[in-house]
Amino acid sequence: GQSLEQPSEVTAVEGAIVQINCTYQTSGFYGLSWYQQHDGGAPTFLSYNALDGLEETGRFSSFLSRSDSYGYLLLQELQMKDSASYFCAVSVVTGGGNKLTFGTGTQLKVEL
Amino acid sequence: GAVVSQHPSRVICKSGTSVKIECRSLDFQATTMFWYRQFPKKSLMLMATSNEGSKATYEQGVEKDKFLINHASLTLSTLTVTSAHPEDSSFYICSARRDKDYEQYFGPGTRLTVT
Repeated sequence: GQSLEQPSEVTAVEGAIVQINCTYQTSGFYGLSWYQQHDGGAPTFLSYNALDGLEETGRFSSFLSRSDSYGYLLLQELQMKDSASYFCAVSVVTGGGNKLTFGTGTQLKVEL
Repeated sequence: GAVVSQHPSRVICKSGTSVKIECRSLDFQATTMFWYRQFPKKSLMLMATSNEGSKATYEQGVEKDKFLINHASLTLSTLTVTSAHPEDSSFYICSARRDKDYEQYFGPGTRLTVT
Protein backbone atom coordinates (compact mmCIF):
# COMPACT_ATOMS: atom_id res chain seq x y z
CA GLY A 1 0.00 0.00 0.00
CA GLN A 2 0.88 3.63 0.07
CA SER A 3 1.23 6.08 2.94
CA LEU A 4 1.93 9.80 2.91
CA GLU A 5 2.61 12.04 5.90
CA GLN A 6 2.15 15.80 6.10
CA PRO A 7 1.90 18.21 9.03
CA SER A 8 -1.74 18.68 9.95
CA GLU A 9 -1.58 22.44 10.38
CA VAL A 10 0.75 25.34 9.57
CA THR A 11 0.28 28.99 10.46
CA ALA A 12 2.20 31.89 8.88
CA VAL A 13 1.86 35.63 8.40
CA GLU A 14 1.05 37.45 5.21
CA GLY A 15 4.14 38.05 3.08
CA ALA A 16 6.12 35.23 4.67
CA ILE A 17 7.45 32.00 3.17
CA VAL A 18 6.15 28.63 4.28
CA GLN A 19 7.27 25.09 3.49
CA ILE A 20 4.93 22.09 3.68
CA ASN A 21 6.72 18.76 3.84
CA CYS A 22 5.53 15.41 2.57
CA THR A 23 7.12 12.02 3.16
CA TYR A 24 5.83 8.94 1.43
CA GLN A 25 6.14 5.19 1.31
CA THR A 26 4.94 3.51 -1.84
CA SER A 27 5.75 1.06 -4.56
CA GLY A 28 5.47 1.90 -8.23
CA PHE A 29 6.22 5.58 -7.60
CA TYR A 30 5.82 7.73 -10.68
CA GLY A 31 5.66 11.29 -9.39
CA LEU A 32 4.54 13.67 -6.64
CA SER A 33 1.80 16.25 -7.11
CA TRP A 34 0.50 19.07 -4.96
CA TYR A 35 -3.11 20.24 -4.78
CA GLN A 36 -4.82 23.16 -3.07
CA GLN A 37 -8.35 22.87 -1.73
CA HIS A 38 -10.43 25.64 -0.24
CA ASP A 39 -13.27 24.72 2.12
CA GLY A 40 -16.14 23.18 0.18
CA GLY A 41 -14.27 23.34 -3.10
CA ALA A 42 -12.54 20.97 -5.46
CA PRO A 43 -8.80 20.29 -5.39
CA THR A 44 -6.86 22.41 -7.84
CA PHE A 45 -3.55 21.30 -9.28
CA LEU A 46 -0.49 23.27 -8.21
CA SER A 47 2.64 21.40 -9.18
CA TYR A 48 4.13 18.07 -10.21
CA ASN A 49 7.60 16.51 -9.82
CA ALA A 50 8.65 13.32 -11.53
CA LEU A 51 12.38 13.91 -11.20
CA ASP A 52 14.56 15.10 -8.33
CA GLY A 53 14.87 18.82 -7.95
CA LEU A 54 12.90 22.01 -7.74
CA GLU A 55 10.01 23.04 -9.96
CA GLU A 56 9.01 26.70 -9.81
CA THR A 57 5.61 28.05 -10.80
CA GLY A 58 5.17 31.66 -9.79
CA ARG A 59 4.93 32.00 -6.02
CA PHE A 60 4.77 28.22 -5.61
CA SER A 61 7.70 25.82 -5.89
CA SER A 62 7.86 22.10 -5.31
CA PHE A 63 10.81 19.89 -4.55
CA LEU A 64 11.32 16.16 -4.79
CA SER A 65 14.00 13.79 -3.56
CA ARG A 66 13.19 10.28 -4.76
CA SER A 67 16.03 8.71 -2.79
CA ASP A 68 14.66 10.20 0.44
CA SER A 69 10.97 9.62 -0.48
CA TYR A 70 10.45 13.25 0.41
CA GLY A 71 9.08 16.37 -1.14
CA TYR A 72 7.91 19.80 -0.16
CA LEU A 73 5.77 22.66 -1.37
CA LEU A 74 7.17 26.15 -0.88
CA LEU A 75 4.81 29.10 -0.89
CA GLN A 76 6.33 32.56 -1.09
CA GLU A 77 4.88 36.01 -0.52
CA LEU A 78 1.95 34.51 1.30
CA GLN A 79 -1.46 36.07 0.76
CA MET A 80 -4.63 35.70 2.77
CA LYS A 81 -6.21 33.82 -0.14
CA ASP A 82 -3.57 31.10 0.27
CA SER A 83 -5.38 29.94 3.43
CA ALA A 84 -6.53 26.48 2.37
CA SER A 85 -5.72 22.80 2.67
CA TYR A 86 -2.74 21.51 0.74
CA PHE A 87 -2.40 17.87 -0.25
CA CYS A 88 0.56 16.01 -1.63
CA ALA A 89 -0.34 13.04 -3.80
CA VAL A 90 1.77 10.25 -5.25
CA SER A 91 1.18 8.94 -8.74
CA VAL A 92 1.50 5.19 -8.70
CA VAL A 93 1.79 2.96 -11.73
CA THR A 94 -0.85 0.24 -11.80
CA GLY A 95 -2.05 -2.23 -14.39
CA GLY A 96 -4.69 0.25 -15.50
CA GLY A 97 -2.40 3.26 -15.66
CA ASN A 98 -1.54 5.87 -13.06
CA LYS A 99 -3.63 6.61 -10.01
CA LEU A 100 -3.26 9.18 -7.25
CA THR A 101 -3.02 8.52 -3.54
CA PHE A 102 -3.48 11.65 -1.45
CA GLY A 103 -1.68 12.61 1.72
CA THR A 104 -3.38 13.54 4.95
CA GLY A 105 -3.50 17.23 4.05
CA THR A 106 -2.07 20.36 5.68
CA GLN A 107 -4.34 23.19 6.77
CA LEU A 108 -2.52 26.46 6.11
CA LYS A 109 -3.69 29.54 7.97
CA VAL A 110 -2.35 32.88 6.80
CA GLU A 111 -2.65 35.67 9.34
CA LEU A 112 -2.19 39.43 9.09
CA GLY B 1 -9.44 23.88 -21.36
CA ALA B 2 -9.76 20.75 -19.19
CA VAL B 3 -12.99 21.57 -17.37
CA VAL B 4 -14.86 18.90 -15.44
CA SER B 5 -18.40 19.37 -14.18
CA GLN B 6 -20.46 17.44 -11.67
CA HIS B 7 -24.19 17.32 -11.21
CA PRO B 8 -25.81 17.80 -8.83
CA SER B 9 -23.63 19.97 -6.61
CA ARG B 10 -25.73 19.14 -3.57
CA VAL B 11 -28.30 16.44 -2.94
CA ILE B 12 -30.34 15.41 0.07
CA CYS B 13 -32.04 12.05 -0.03
CA LYS B 14 -33.86 9.74 2.31
CA SER B 15 -32.35 6.58 3.69
CA GLY B 16 -32.95 3.62 1.40
CA THR B 17 -33.16 5.58 -1.83
CA SER B 18 -30.59 5.69 -4.63
CA VAL B 19 -28.76 8.76 -5.89
CA LYS B 20 -26.97 9.25 -9.20
CA ILE B 21 -24.09 11.69 -9.59
CA GLU B 22 -22.82 12.69 -13.03
CA CYS B 23 -19.29 13.66 -13.96
CA ARG B 24 -18.61 15.24 -17.35
CA SER B 25 -15.46 16.38 -19.09
CA LEU B 26 -16.65 19.46 -20.98
CA ASP B 27 -13.85 20.20 -23.41
CA PHE B 28 -11.78 17.05 -23.68
CA GLN B 29 -12.16 13.33 -23.98
CA ALA B 30 -11.43 11.47 -20.79
CA THR B 31 -10.28 7.92 -21.24
CA THR B 32 -10.11 7.51 -17.48
CA MET B 33 -12.26 8.94 -14.72
CA PHE B 34 -11.80 8.58 -10.99
CA TRP B 35 -14.23 8.79 -8.11
CA TYR B 36 -13.13 10.00 -4.69
CA ARG B 37 -14.83 10.39 -1.37
CA GLN B 38 -13.89 12.99 1.22
CA PHE B 39 -15.08 13.34 4.81
CA PRO B 40 -14.88 16.74 6.52
CA LYS B 41 -11.32 17.84 7.25
CA LYS B 42 -10.01 14.56 5.81
CA SER B 43 -8.12 13.48 2.74
CA LEU B 44 -9.53 12.35 -0.57
CA MET B 45 -9.95 8.59 -0.71
CA LEU B 46 -9.98 6.95 -4.12
CA MET B 47 -13.05 4.78 -4.52
CA ALA B 48 -12.71 3.52 -8.06
CA THR B 49 -11.14 4.03 -11.45
CA SER B 50 -13.25 3.78 -14.55
CA ASN B 51 -12.14 3.45 -18.13
CA GLU B 52 -14.53 4.17 -20.96
CA GLY B 53 -16.34 1.07 -22.11
CA SER B 54 -15.04 -1.26 -19.42
CA LYS B 55 -15.87 -2.18 -15.85
CA ALA B 56 -14.66 0.03 -13.05
CA THR B 57 -11.78 -1.04 -10.83
CA TYR B 58 -12.72 -0.59 -7.19
CA GLU B 59 -10.30 0.09 -4.35
CA GLN B 60 -10.10 -2.34 -1.49
CA GLY B 61 -12.99 -1.97 0.92
CA VAL B 62 -15.32 -0.20 -1.53
CA GLU B 63 -18.54 -2.12 -2.18
CA LYS B 64 -19.05 -2.36 -5.91
CA ASP B 65 -22.70 -3.29 -5.53
CA LYS B 66 -23.36 -0.23 -3.42
CA PHE B 67 -21.41 2.28 -5.50
CA LEU B 68 -22.27 1.58 -9.13
CA ILE B 69 -20.02 3.26 -11.66
CA ASN B 70 -20.74 3.57 -15.35
CA HIS B 71 -18.39 5.19 -17.87
CA ALA B 72 -20.57 5.06 -20.95
CA SER B 73 -18.76 7.62 -23.08
CA LEU B 74 -15.49 9.53 -23.25
CA THR B 75 -17.11 12.52 -21.58
CA LEU B 76 -19.46 11.03 -18.99
CA SER B 77 -19.15 8.84 -15.93
CA THR B 78 -21.86 8.27 -13.34
CA LEU B 79 -21.73 7.14 -9.73
CA THR B 80 -24.92 5.70 -8.26
CA VAL B 81 -25.11 5.30 -4.51
CA THR B 82 -27.66 2.54 -4.02
CA SER B 83 -29.79 2.11 -0.91
CA ALA B 84 -28.13 5.12 0.68
CA HIS B 85 -27.66 5.31 4.43
CA PRO B 86 -26.63 8.24 6.66
CA GLU B 87 -23.05 6.93 6.79
CA ASP B 88 -22.86 7.44 3.01
CA SER B 89 -23.18 11.18 3.56
CA SER B 90 -19.98 12.67 2.22
CA PHE B 91 -18.38 14.88 -0.42
CA TYR B 92 -17.97 12.92 -3.66
CA ILE B 93 -15.45 14.25 -6.17
CA CYS B 94 -14.70 12.99 -9.64
CA SER B 95 -11.66 13.63 -11.77
CA ALA B 96 -10.88 12.99 -15.41
CA ARG B 97 -7.67 12.32 -17.24
CA ARG B 98 -6.78 12.49 -20.89
CA ASP B 99 -5.04 9.53 -22.43
CA LYS B 100 -1.47 9.18 -21.10
CA ASP B 101 -1.60 12.47 -19.19
CA TYR B 102 -0.40 12.43 -15.60
CA GLU B 103 -2.64 15.28 -14.50
CA GLN B 104 -6.13 14.70 -13.26
CA TYR B 105 -8.71 17.47 -13.63
CA PHE B 106 -11.15 17.58 -10.76
CA GLY B 107 -14.83 18.32 -10.76
CA PRO B 108 -16.36 20.71 -8.20
CA GLY B 109 -17.71 17.88 -6.06
CA THR B 110 -21.15 16.73 -4.93
CA ARG B 111 -22.21 16.97 -1.33
CA LEU B 112 -24.52 14.09 -0.46
CA THR B 113 -26.62 14.17 2.70
CA VAL B 114 -28.66 11.10 3.57
CA THR B 115 -31.37 11.68 6.17
